[in-house]
Amino acid sequence: GAGVSQSPRYKVAKRGQDVALRCDPISGHVSLFWYQQALGQGPEFLTYFQNEAQLDKSGLPSDRFFAERPEGSVSTLKIQRTQQEDSAVYLCASSLGQNNQPQHFGDGTRLSIL
Amino acid sequence: DAKTTQPNSMESNEEEPVHLPCNHSTISGTDYIHWYRQLPSQGPEYVIHGLTSNVNNRMASLAIAEDRKSSTLILHRATLRDAAVYYCILRAYSGAGSYQLTFGKGTKLSVIP
Repeated sequence: GAGVSQSPRYKVAKRGQDVALRCDPISGHVSLFWYQQALGQGPEFLTYFQNEAQLDKSGLPSDRFFAERPEGSVSTLKIQRTQQEDSAVYLCASSLGQNNQPQHFGDGTRLSIL
Repeated sequence: DAKTTQPNSMESNEEEPVHLPCNHSTISGTDYIHWYRQLPSQGPEYVIHGLTSNVNNRMASLAIAEDRKSSTLILHRATLRDAAVYYCILRAYSGAGSYQLTFGKGTKLSVIP
């Protein structure tokens, strides 16, 4: 079946522009996670949704980062007034539930800020 | 999540078994041990997880020490497609409503033809 889909695959933006990254989770998956991965590092947690509720946003690095999942399926990560340090791969993952279910990852959006 | 320690890199010959170690001396009784791997230019992929007993699936085996302070991921016959970064992660309820994964730097496995 279809896995987690992220778009765009690559995004180049000028410093100061706003960007929006989309995640289509696996159908029926309740939990959705966003991670940020800098070059040569492991992914770092940004935020978590259970259905449409954003239950944990402790990993968002600043108030320029905003995520939503209004109907409990597709999610969008928005970054306002982008900075060069926002350049990274943004990964989305979904899982069936809140417990120790495996997370299924998309291939990420590579964001480059010029 | 509790901290894990893994070697930065390992090499294996193709078609030979690979044992990837992970130390987690501060593991708590409710922490599950998860392994994910990440191939180049792809998102992480779930491999296996366990709590106390050894686990087997179609991808790998997980051997957990009796005191749970260490574990080993076993690839029974390495192929070129197994070249990836392997992450050992201790996963527990965060208290904030999520089971997010806390990745370290992992072990970069190279497979030699």
